[in-house]
Amino acid sequence: GENVEQHPSTLSVQEGDSAVIKCTYSDSASNYFPWYKQELGKGPQLIIDIRSNVGEKKDQRIAVTLNKTAKHFSLHITETQPEDSAVYFCAAPSGWSTLTFGKGTMLLVSP
Amino acid sequence: SAVISQKPSRDICQRGTSLTIQCQVDSQVTMMFWYRQQPGQSLTLIATANQGSEATYESGFVIDKFPISRPNLTFSTLTVSNMSPEDSSIYLCSVDPGGRGETQYFGPGTRLLVL
Repeated sequence: GENVEQHPSTLSVQEGDSAVIKCTYSDSASNYFPWYKQELGKGPQLIIDIRSNVGEKKDQRIAVTLNKTAKHFSLHITETQPEDSAVYFCAAPSGWSTLTFGKGTMLLVSP
Repeated sequence: SAVISQKPSRDICQRGTSLTIQCQVDSQVTMMFWYRQQPGQSLTLIATANQGSEATYESGFVIDKFPISRPNLTFSTLTVSNMSPEDSSIYLCSVDPGGRGETQYFGPGTRLLVL
């Protein structure tokens, strides 16, 4: 099955700085990579995803990049704000219908 | 996308008892999933629940402990049976509206504490 590794486990930045979270996957056939944000006391929320036919996707302050050759993808958050503080999970397809999640990154944005 | 609600949002239970968690979706979906998230941990898939067929359980999870019902395309239940403190977790349901094993949308979770 798919193995997803996520780094770092915790990330502290100052408001306005950029944050980058990286994930690697093991199955070269994987072709869809979502990122989820989980705020305290809530369920994970899909914030951006990328398919293997593109190398980068942006949505306002967030972007995801994909390197299929190296089998890794990254989440980039620019101009971070305190409300970006949350746990972020990457994921990759596992089998024919499920996702395997990374262990999560706790992002803390200090004012 | 899909809007998902779960009941109860949280509960405190005594060991040896059972709790049934409900998941309601605002649209018809074929694929529904149940996850467990232990404190400070990632999401672990318990089972896939497709309407009209028996749930498919992941390694380490069995039907006797986590029976699942899926009576229609908008509703599912997960029961945590004969609970022990080790069952204290967040239980999440999710749906894959596209049915392609890709984008999943999650409910708010049920926070369970077993004493």
